[in-house]
Amino acid sequence: DTAVSQTPKYLVTQMGNDKSIKCEQNLGHDTMYWYKQDSKKFLKIMFSYNNKELIINETVPNRFSPKSPDKAHLNLHINSLELGDSAVYFCASSPPSGPSYEQYFGPGTRLTVT
Amino acid sequence: DQQVKQNSPSLSVQEGRISILNCDYTNSMFDYFLWYKKYPAEGPTFLISISSIKDKNEDGRFTVFLNKSAKHLSLHIVPSQPGDSAVYFCAASGRGSWGKLQFGAGTQVVVTP
Repeated sequence: DTAVSQTPKYLVTQMGNDKSIKCEQNLGHDTMYWYKQDSKKFLKIMFSYNNKELIINETVPNRFSPKSPDKAHLNLHINSLELGDSAVYFCASSPPSGPSYEQYFGPGTRLTVT
Repeated sequence: DQQVKQNSPSLSVQEGRISILNCDYTNSMFDYFLWYKKYPAEGPTFLISISSIKDKNEDGRFTVFLNKSAKHLSLHIVPSQPGDSAVYFCAASGRGSWGKLQFGAGTQVVVTP
């Protein structure tokens, strides 16, 4: 009974390729997020969707495009991958009531660009 | 600019003793603070939180203290257990930020027998 799942768990690809990471949550949450954890281990928010509507869009290159087909899914598509995109990407979700700060994270997708 | 700082990258503590993790923040608009725990190859899991209107919140072995005037919070784990060995992240959010969490760099805790 996985709460927040991500696929794939590992992704190795070459520079210039386009790749997608998928995220699904079965918690009934309205809000979903994408975070990036870089080599210095900082977790930084990239995007957030509430009921399929984009509400947070940090300063992220427009090669990154999130898509939310429904409340339970938030996918991340990356075009023209660069070496600096190598990181661990975490999806998270938060409940519709109570502090939206208490977010539930997926296991992460380790992206390596060669 | 890092608005949430954890200046101790690592902490080693004996089993049964107290672990104290520290976190400082710079943004006075933050009104909610959280601690997350992360094991290798897993996502962070929520541990405990505190609202800015409180100065202490306790949940079992975990207690978070908030000192607003010093812009400082700490997490106390008593007693420390081997299963507490993990990376602990401090995070903060402001009212109306739609859940945008600002994370610290994390503190690696190792609990030794």
